[in-house]
Amino acid sequence: DAGVTQSPTHLIKTRGQHVTLRCSPISGHKSVSWYQQVLGQGPQFIFQYYEKEERGRGNFPDRFSARQFPNYSSELNVNALLLGDSALYLCASRQAGGLYNSPLHFGNGTRLTVT
Amino acid sequence: KNEVEQSPQNLTAQEGEFITINCSYSVGISALHWLQQHPGGGIVSLFMLSSGKKKHGRLIATINIQEKHSSLHITASHPRDSAVYICAVLPTSGTYKYIFGTGTRLKVLA
Repeated sequence: DAGVTQSPTHLIKTRGQHVTLRCSPISGHKSVSWYQQVLGQGPQFIFQYYEKEERGRGNFPDRFSARQFPNYSSELNVNALLLGDSALYLCASRQAGGLYNSPLHFGNGTRLTVT
Repeated sequence: KNEVEQSPQNLTAQEGEFITINCSYSVGISALHWLQQHPGGGIVSLFMLSSGKKKHGRLIATINIQEKHSSLHITASHPRDSAVYICAVLPTSGTYKYIFGTGTRLKVLA
């Protein structure tokens, strides 16, 4: 079975541009979450989606948005890019079961560089 | 002060040594994860704990809910264990907002 897949793997954008990152969860997983990891830091929670509804949002500006599609894949969109948005963006999926008994499965991330 | 603190931040060990990485947190939690991140970014979930102790191969994870503390132990360490180990907690606040530590960078020398 394929794991969590993210695309693209690397991306270079300039300030002010818009970016869309994509994530396909493990087959059967209905929950997807997004994280930002700045170099040398731990990941920071951005969004959680379950059954196509937003279930949680971290402390990120409105320039960050996301959605989940009927096939449970997800997109993370960032508008008006800033240099500080340069980071590794991680997607994780989990089974639709109980929140507390299913581990997170991470993708390899998209490394975004804003120049 | 971060809600999740890990120690040490960096650790260098000789092959075969017993290694302990600590995680302390200040919020009530429903679960705690230990994650392994290799260069390049991919993260693997090693353990998910809500109480007690779990063992998988040479890895052992323990958690003390009352003391808000967890440890990850690696027995008979090997250079392939070199990675960043991250502790992540799920608060009992009813949301899905995982809080992550900044990670412990482990290097095991042959």
